[in-house]
Amino acid sequence: EAGVAQSPRYKIIEKRQSVAFWCNPISGHATLYWYQQILGQGPKLLIQFQNNGVVDDSQLPKDRFSAERLKGVDSTLKIQPAKLEDSAVYLCASSLVWGAKNIQYFGAGTRLSVL
Amino acid sequence: TQLLEQSPQFLSIQEGENLTVYCNSSSVFSSLQWYRQEPGEGPVLLVTVVTGGEVKKLKRLTFQFGDARKDSSLHITAAQPGDTGLYLCAGVGGGSNYKLTFGKGTLLTVNP
Repeated sequence: EAGVAQSPRYKIIEKRQSVAFWCNPISGHATLYWYQQILGQGPKLLIQFQNNGVVDDSQLPKDRFSAERLKGVDSTLKIQPAKLEDSAVYLCASSLVWGAKNIQYFGAGTRLSVL
Repeated sequence: TQLLEQSPQFLSIQEGENLTVYCNSSSVFSSLQWYRQEPGEGPVLLVTVVTGGEVKKLKRLTFQFGDARKDSSLHITAAQPGDTGLYLCAGVGGGSNYKLTFGKGTLLTVNP
């Protein structure tokens, strides 16, 4: 079974530029998550989708970050404009069910460096 | 805001030694998960503990959930170089969200 696919693996941009990340979840997984992991910290949830609807985006900096999940499958996360403090690994995860025992499967992440 | 504190932050040991990693919170979680993350990869789930006082074993790894469901520990017996990685605990919130709150992790290095 294929895992969660993310691209690109690495991205280097200058501050104030725009960047987009793509995620393809495991087939059949209705729930999709985007996390930000800053060096030395655990992942922080940015946004959670259930099919193509947003469940939780309370920690998404909406003035610069946006995400969409058209057709309830693939998802893109965009940052515009990027700041130095956005340098982090952006992880996508998906789960089959949504509940207390849900198992999230993570992709390898996109490492973003903002110069 | 629910916070999880993990200790120690860094741990470097020799092959064959035992170790314990702790995960503490002032909040109650419906369940708690432990993940291992290797460099350049995403976290991989090791175990979910649900019931207060629960103990789960996974080969040389023993996981315990505190009676009050606020803290947890991970004990590794006879550590091997393959155990090297970042160990993350994550609390699963209640209500209808089931949001994961991660600790900062413990970076374990097992030297041959």
